[in-house]
Amino acid sequence: AQSVTQLDSHVSVSEGTPVLLRCNYSSSYSPSLFWYVQHPNKGLQLLLKYTSAATLVKGINGFEAEFKKSETSFHLTKPSAHMSDAAEYFCAMYSGGGADGLTFGKGTHLIIQP
Amino acid sequence: EAGVVQSPRYKIIEKKQPVAFWCNPISGHNTLYWYRQNLGQGPELLIRYENEEAVDDSQLPKDRFSAERLKGVDSTLKIQPAELGDSAVYLCASSRLAELTDTQYFGPGTRLTVL
Repeated sequence: AQSVTQLDSHVSVSEGTPVLLRCNYSSSYSPSLFWYVQHPNKGLQLLLKYTSAATLVKGINGFEAEFKKSETSFHLTKPSAHMSDAAEYFCAMYSGGGADGLTFGKGTHLIIQP
Repeated sequence: EAGVVQSPRYKIIEKKQPVAFWCNPISGHNTLYWYRQNLGQGPELLIRYENEEAVDDSQLPKDRFSAERLKGVDSTLKIQPAELGDSAVYLCASSRLAELTDTQYFGPGTRLTVL
């Protein structure tokens, strides 16, 4: 079965410290993977995506993610958190093989402490 | 460019009432999606359109939900009659290409509360 698991429902970091949001996937095919951010009362915005090119993907606002097939992971990182990064983050997957659409994880709420 | 527009932003209705949501995708985007996002969950696809054709509606509860995309631009999602369990945020997204790896741009959503 195709699935996306976000390992933490909440992550709290201090401003200026690194951010790590974890995502694992399960897919019978070679997946494409996405990270979206959702600020309150706003639509989801794409941060970055992996579609079988370079395994280290750089996105907007200083975020990056690395596709690790051996670990079936696609963790999102940022070297230094900013207050404006506080939001809900969703990992999503298109598993291919005629899948219906994107499969989303349940989300990780990122809290930035001043 | 203007983003995906949805209306209304909020809707409160009593159960068994009908409700409709409207979406205007980004100009030139041929593919349109409707998702439902329950509280504390990620979005789940309800239906996907390529132009005016529904190419994937396997997750749409067809006994009470219907959707249309007239002329391949705007789209309307309807629930009739609404049930308590339909309370959720309904998201519309669009993409330029039909490939599911293409970037989807999301609207702000319609938050539905069924009392």
